[in-house]
Amino acid sequence: SQELEQSPQSLIVQEGKNLTINCTSSKTLYGLYWYKQKYGEGLIFLMMLQKGGEEKSHEKITAKLDEKKQQSSLHITASQPSHAGIYLCGADAPNTGTASKLTFGTGTRLQVTL
Amino acid sequence: KAGVTQTPRYLIKTRGQQVTLSCSPISGHRSVSWYQQTPGQGLQFLFEYFSETQRNKGNFPGRFSGRQFSNSRSEMNVSTLELGDSALYLCASRDRGPYNEQFFGPGTRLTVL
Repeated sequence: SQELEQSPQSLIVQEGKNLTINCTSSKTLYGLYWYKQKYGEGLIFLMMLQKGGEEKSHEKITAKLDEKKQQSSLHITASQPSHAGIYLCGADAPNTGTASKLTFGTGTRLQVTL
Repeated sequence: KAGVTQTPRYLIKTRGQQVTLSCSPISGHRSVSWYQQTPGQGLQFLFEYFSETQRNKGNFPGRFSGRQFSNSRSEMNVSTLELGDSALYLCASRDRGPYNEQFFGPGTRLTVL
């Protein structure tokens, strides 16, 4: 079965600093999703990557999928308190024909200090 | 459109009891997936329903079951509750959007005493 490892497990950054979260898969990624979760709440969709070398940005968040499609990174520029939360990467299960059975990473807890 | 709703939001049960959780997907979404989130195991896939049929299933015991109604609303049931079933249960619905992304509800926090 596919496993996703995220690093770091937790991160404390000062407001205004940049940061990067990594997601490494044990198998080829066919679809990689990034979600954000406020503690104890539901997940908010951030971005989806599918092609090797693909990069997407939304506001101050940029996600990349490496050429070999086994690692993704999430970069936040000039962090703000609103960026605090748990970031989760999720991968499609191959050959299921659906994006409804996601395997999730271990999560990265981000705190942003003033 | 209203988002995914889950009821109840919080639930306390005792070992051996059974529980039913409800999920209403976004209007028009036909796929509903359920996930269990615990501090130790993280977020794990339980099952997915599409047009009232179970389409995918995770590695959970038979005590965990679900169903979907003709209006796409879904319920999951856990029988003979164990302490380890304490978790946040998340429901997600999906449509044929550009990214095939799932939209998650706020979750039901289940505590088993």
